[in-house]
Amino acid sequence: QITLKESGPTLVKPTQTLTLTCTFSGFSLSTWGVGVGWIRQPPGKALEWVALIYWDDDLRYSPSLKSRLTISKDTSKNQVVLVMTNMDPVDTATYYCAHTVSPHHYFDFWGQGTLVTVS
Amino acid sequence: DTVMTQSPLFLPVTPGEPASISCRSSQSLLHSNGNNYLDWYLQRPGQSPQLLIYLASNRASGVPDRFSGSGSGTDFTLKISRVEAEDVGVYYCMRALQTPYTFGQGTKLEI
Repeated sequence: QITLKESGPTLVKPTQTLTLTCTFSGFSLSTWGVGVGWIRQPPGKALEWVALIYWDDDLRYSPSLKSRLTISKDTSKNQVVLVMTNMDPVDTATYYCAHTVSPHHYFDFWGQGTLVTVS
Repeated sequence: DTVMTQSPLFLPVTPGEPASISCRSSQSLLHSNGNNYLDWYLQRPGQSPQLLIYLASNRASGVPDRFSGSGSGTDFTLKISRVEAEDVGVYYCMRALQTPYTFGQGTKLEI
């Protein structure tokens, strides 16, 4: 059974750096084709894809956020970490991590999400 | 970036009746392998999104067969043959051909 859970601060100040951790079980990020992505959703708004890391350390970022993002994995801890610098109130959103498998590229298992407020 | 446009944005439905949501991509989602990289997700109120359809027409595990997806290239449709109360929520299409992945604006289905 695959599960994912996001953790991190609920409140950050403008210009600060946000660090979110996705802790998962039921799969390994060392398995061929497996990836973990981050998707965010501002309150009352649509979903926005943020970043993605694959089993082979292939890293993908949203072009609009790329300069502020770093995604990494710790396979031994079953964790993926997303770092976003220079936070702004427009970054207020629920941040989800989700499991994906190449080459289908869908997100078939999602975490519960964590609301991050920038104020 | 590819733009995904859904219609309608609001969909009032009657239980037992069919429903249909359109998703149009500004660029073709057809891969050279013959697959259309278009996914559909449902986000029920207060919940995380869940995968309904992948590769345009394949139902995800556990998804009722009243949900179906169709389309190719730039035009896609999600159909619900008979809407049930549990189908309420916001439906999103997502371009999954290559990163950056992009979502549609969402279609809110209400009874």
